[in-house]
Amino acid sequence: EDKVVQSPLSLVVHEGDTVTLNCSYEVTNFRSLLWYKQEKKAPTFLFMLTSSGIEKKSGRLSSILDKKELFSILNITATQTGDSAIYLCAVEVDSNYQLIWGAGTKLIIKP
Amino acid sequence: GAGVSQTPSNKVTEKGKYVELRCDPISGHTALYWYRQSLGQGPEFLIYFQGTGAADDSGLPNDRFFAVRPEGSVSTLKIQRTERGDSAVYLCASSRGPLDGELFFGEGSRLTVL
Repeated sequence: EDKVVQSPLSLVVHEGDTVTLNCSYEVTNFRSLLWYKQEKKAPTFLFMLTSSGIEKKSGRLSSILDKKELFSILNITATQTGDSAIYLCAVEVDSNYQLIWGAGTKLIIKP
Repeated sequence: GAGVSQTPSNKVTEKGKYVELRCDPISGHTALYWYRQSLGQGPEFLIYFQGTGAADDSGLPNDRFFAVRPEGSVSTLKIQRTERGDSAVYLCASSRGPLDGELFFGEGSRLTVL
């Protein structure tokens, strides 16, 4: 059965800290891995990763994929209170129109 | 529209009632998805439309759930004889085409069944 596992489930840090969120997967016919940020209701797209070892970067956020070890990490540097959210990882597979979602990491940034 | 629009944003109903949730996707997006999300969980796939047809409805939990997209744009998720376990946030998302992982989500409809 295809599955996506995120860790940690929750994380509390202070403003300015750097955090690393993990997403591991076991799927057949991997196509891509996606990261989303969910603050209230609507998840918003962050990154799509298809190739191993190529870092995607957007401001203080960056992400990389390891297709050999079947995981991805999302890094946030110099965290701000506005980074507080649930970060969701999802995997797209070739044979299926569904995205397979992890349960998310709830990140809380304390001032 | 500029983004995916969902109505109502909140719906409280009694067990056994019928509800309809509406989704208006981004103009020109041919793919439309319905997800259900419970607290502390990732979105759970319900159904996927490509154009007017339901290309994959394998996520619908039972025959009380049905969704339509008659003109290939707006979609309605219909739940008959609601149960307390149906309480969740129902998220709609659209994308430019199939297997385009960049989904654009609406704000969701929070359904509470009393």
